Amino acid sequence: DQQVKQNSPSLSVQEGRISILNCDYTNSMFDYFLWYKKYPAEGPTFLISISSIKDKNEDGRFTVFLNKSAKHLSLHIVPSQPGDSAVYFCAAGIKAAGNKLTFGGGTRVLVKP
Amino acid sequence: DVKVTQSSRYLVKRTGEKVFLECVQDMDHENMFWYRQDPGLGLRLIYFSYDVKMKEKGDIPEGYSVSREKKERFSLILESASTNQTSMYLCASSPQVVRQFFGPGTRLTVL
Repeated sequence: DQQVKQNSPSLSVQEGRISILNCDYTNSMFDYFLWYKKYPAEGPTFLISISSIKDKNEDGRFTVFLNKSAKHLSLHIVPSQPGDSAVYFCAAGIKAAGNKLTFGGGTRVLVKP
Repeated sequence: DVKVTQSSRYLVKRTGEKVFLECVQDMDHENMFWYRQDPGLGLRLIYFSYDVKMKEKGDIPEGYSVSREKKERFSLILESASTNQTSMYLCASSPQVVRQFFGPGTRLTVL
């Protein structure tokens, strides 16, 4: 049973427009959420995170929104750039349970020039 | 900068071979993790370790074992490689926070 799901396997967006990536989770104990970005043949790199005590966190072009009641988070990339073309993974963890993370299946983003 | 290195970027092995994947981190992190990445399935945790000589099973430990004799090194062992273990293997480390730092990955093909 996947506790973290990314229901859109792929997303195509025009350069300069907004990319919105979605992630749903089922375990209400998760209290920390992260987004990672992965290029082919490289390891994932950390993008942005949010604690469950917040509903929004922003870092430059990247904003993560958390809706705890809906068990849903989203990543907004504005404006999208061709270098943003990659696979994005959301991940969730429980701080008190150590540093394990549960990852979603990933969303492949293609930003067209 | 945190650096996590993996011994091989690409590896080809035959069914039944014993395979060792090595991971080294240079930031004195307590926690280390092994994942495999398969299309549509994301990253799935195989094993993790909170300290030297300690190990815990992740979500898919069957067919794998691990070794952590030194704090900086975490090895993944495939006792008898099978074709369904063809995958991208990713090692990660973290200090006592949730964020993990990943190595570049090892693409393993089992023929």
